[in-house]
Amino acid sequence: EVQLVESGGGLVQPGGSLRLSCVASGFTFSNYWMSWVRQAPGKGLEWVANMKQDGSEKNYVDSVKGRFTISRDNAQNSLYLQMNSLRAEDTAVYYCARDNDFGDYWGQGTLVTVSS
Amino acid sequence: QSVLPQPPSTSGTPGQRVTISCSGSSSNIGSSYVYWYQQLPGTAPKLLIYRNNQRPSGVPDRFSGSKSGTSASLAISGLRSEDEADYYCAAWDDSLSGWVFGGGTKLTVL
Repeated sequence: EVQLVESGGGLVQPGGSLRLSCVASGFTFSNYWMSWVRQAPGKGLEWVANMKQDGSEKNYVDSVKGRFTISRDNAQNSLYLQMNSLRAEDTAVYYCARDNDFGDYWGQGTLVTVSS
Repeated sequence: QSVLPQPPSTSGTPGQRVTISCSGSSSNIGSSYVYWYQQLPGTAPKLLIYRNNQRPSGVPDRFSGSKSGTSASLAISGLRSEDEADYYCAAWDDSLSGWVFGGGTKLTVL
C-alpha cells in the first residue's frame, strides 16, 4: 500500500524557518518525481515545488523561489522542504504528492502557521 | 485569478449529470495532460482522472474527463450525495515550468 506521511509543521514567527519531511512507503521512491503542494485555509490548491528522481531537476513556484528548497534522500525514502524567510502568506497545509502521474497519491498534510 | 479558471460552484440533484469546465492556454492544457482531483472536506485531494480521460482503479465510471484544445472538462453522471466536494483541475505549464491548478469548483448535491 502506497503511503506518504508528512511531518514538521507547526507555528513559526514571520522570518523564521521550518523543515518539512515526507516519508514514503509501498513503492520504489527513487523511481518517482515528487512534489509539494499547499493549501491555505479556505483556499484552493497551489503547487510549490517538485524534484526529479535523482535530484538533478527542481522546479519552484515563483512565490517561494530563493526561500524554499526541495530535497530528497532516496536511501531514506524521504522528501524534504526547507522553508526560510517564512511569511504570513505561507500559512497552509502542506502536502507531499507523487508526481509521475501528478498527484496519484497524497499524504495527509502538515499544517504550517506563520504568525507572531 | 487562477491560471486555469474553473466555475467556483455548481450544483445538481441526485441522478443528474453535471460538468465542470477548466480553461487554459497553449502553454498548459494545450500541450499537457490534464488531471482532476476530488477533495472532500477536511481530507487530502484524491486523483479522479489522469492523462485527460483515464480513471485510476477504484474510481467509478460515473466520472469521466475530456480535453479539447486548451480546455478540459470533468463530467459526473448519476450524481450522488457523496459526490459533494471540491473539484480541481491541474496541468503542467511549460512557460512557468510548474504545475498549475484550477481555482476549484464546489459541487453541491441538492
